[in-house]
Amino acid sequence: AQSVSQHNHHVILSEAASLELGCNYSYGGTVNLFWYVQYPGQHLQLLLKYFSGDPLVKGIKGFEAEFIKSKFSFNLRKPSVQWSDTAEYFCAVMPFSGGYNKLIFGAGTRLAVHP
Amino acid sequence: KAGVTQTPRYLIKTRGQQVTLSCSPISGHRSVSWYQQTPGQGLQFLFEYFSETQRNKGNFPGRFSGRQFSNSRSEMNVSTLELGDSALYLCASSLASGSGSDTQYFGPGTRLTVL
Repeated sequence: AQSVSQHNHHVILSEAASLELGCNYSYGGTVNLFWYVQYPGQHLQLLLKYFSGDPLVKGIKGFEAEFIKSKFSFNLRKPSVQWSDTAEYFCAVMPFSGGYNKLIFGAGTRLAVHP
Repeated sequence: KAGVTQTPRYLIKTRGQQVTLSCSPISGHRSVSWYQQTPGQGLQFLFEYFSETQRNKGNFPGRFSGRQFSNSRSEMNVSTLELGDSALYLCASSLASGSGSDTQYFGPGTRLTVL
């Protein structure tokens, strides 16, 4: 069965620390990859996405992610976090199935950034 | 452009009742997907509609159903509510370009509480 695994459920960092959130998926075919963020009290927002091409993709607010096909991974990074990055982060996979939309989400990682 | 809108934002129902949730996609988007978010199970795909047809369905019982109208607006219905149906129900819309590389944009969700 297709699944997405996020390595950390809770991460606590101080401002200016570097962030890396792990994401691995299990699916043998071509996939589209996403990171979504859910700030407290707000709806799910797209952070970045990978469809094809350069495996290093940049998103909003200084986030980036690297797709490593051989490791089935799509880790999220940010060099220096801010208090405003406190949120829950979701990795999601969409199997490339000819136009059908079905996102498979990881369990999420709650990030708390302390000033 | 206006984002995805969902109504109502909050609902309280009792066991055995039925409920209908509504979703208006971003203008021009033709695909609408529904997800259930709970603390225990995370974000799970319910179903996707395109051109008034259900294209994809998740592993939920038949009590969960939906439909899409000609203007792409969608509704989902849950009959014979159970306590475990308490969740945040999210709607997402996408262009459905047919390329297989679609991005879903989420609404704020409807918080359903079943007593």
